[in-house]
Amino acid sequence: QVQLQESGPRLVRPSETLSLTCTLSGDSMKSYYWSWVRQSPGKGLEWIGYVYFSGNTNYNPSLRSRVTISVDTSKNQFSLQLTSVTAADTATYYCARNGQQWLVFLDHWGQGIPVTVSS
Amino acid sequence: EIVLTQSPGTLSLSPGERATLFCRASQSVSDNYLAWYQQKPGQAPRLLIYGASTRATGLPDRFSGSGSGTDFTLTISRLEPGDFAVYYCQQYGSSPNTFGQGTKLEIK
Repeated sequence: QVQLQESGPRLVRPSETLSLTCTLSGDSMKSYYWSWVRQSPGKGLEWIGYVYFSGNTNYNPSLRSRVTISVDTSKNQFSLQLTSVTAADTATYYCARNGQQWLVFLDHWGQGIPVTVSS
Repeated sequence: EIVLTQSPGTLSLSPGERATLFCRASQSVSDNYLAWYQQKPGQAPRLLIYGASTRATGLPDRFSGSGSGTDFTLTISRLEPGDFAVYYCQQYGSSPNTFGQGTKLEIK
């Protein structure tokens, strides 16, 4: 079955870059779109963006200037980079699979990784 | 962006009862692209419903979604102990897709 697992640093310094990787098992990345979502007590659930296996991307306009999502199909992984982080970026970050092409309802999720932005 | 308002904030019911959760959008949801998720403590959200009324694979028919335009409903016909959780709606018809703030379904 489809399994997603987030990995990366759980503590990031303010103004630095948050980098996370999602590893997929039990499925191929091809023909699906793959999203990042975050959840914080203050802002609830927030979609960050998605990437297609071809490398095409779409980002939330509120984060577009700081976000890059990339894919490595040879490793069955996709990654998130968020630059110039502040305390407001403290959240649990999830990777997920779009349920139907580019439509962003999410039918498989990773377990999530909590990330704290603090000096 | 479309703002989704869920009500009630907290719903207290007993196992066996019927739960009705509401999600209202600040503007019409394109093509009724509305999803519902269940989230238990320490877990990721789980997709329940998409397209306003289509059940996700394996979801029991105790769960049903309805509505169109700006008003949507999730109904759980006979509550089981494992149904007590937080429920979120999400619209994905307009960019950016957005989530509601959640309804907590708790045991009375």
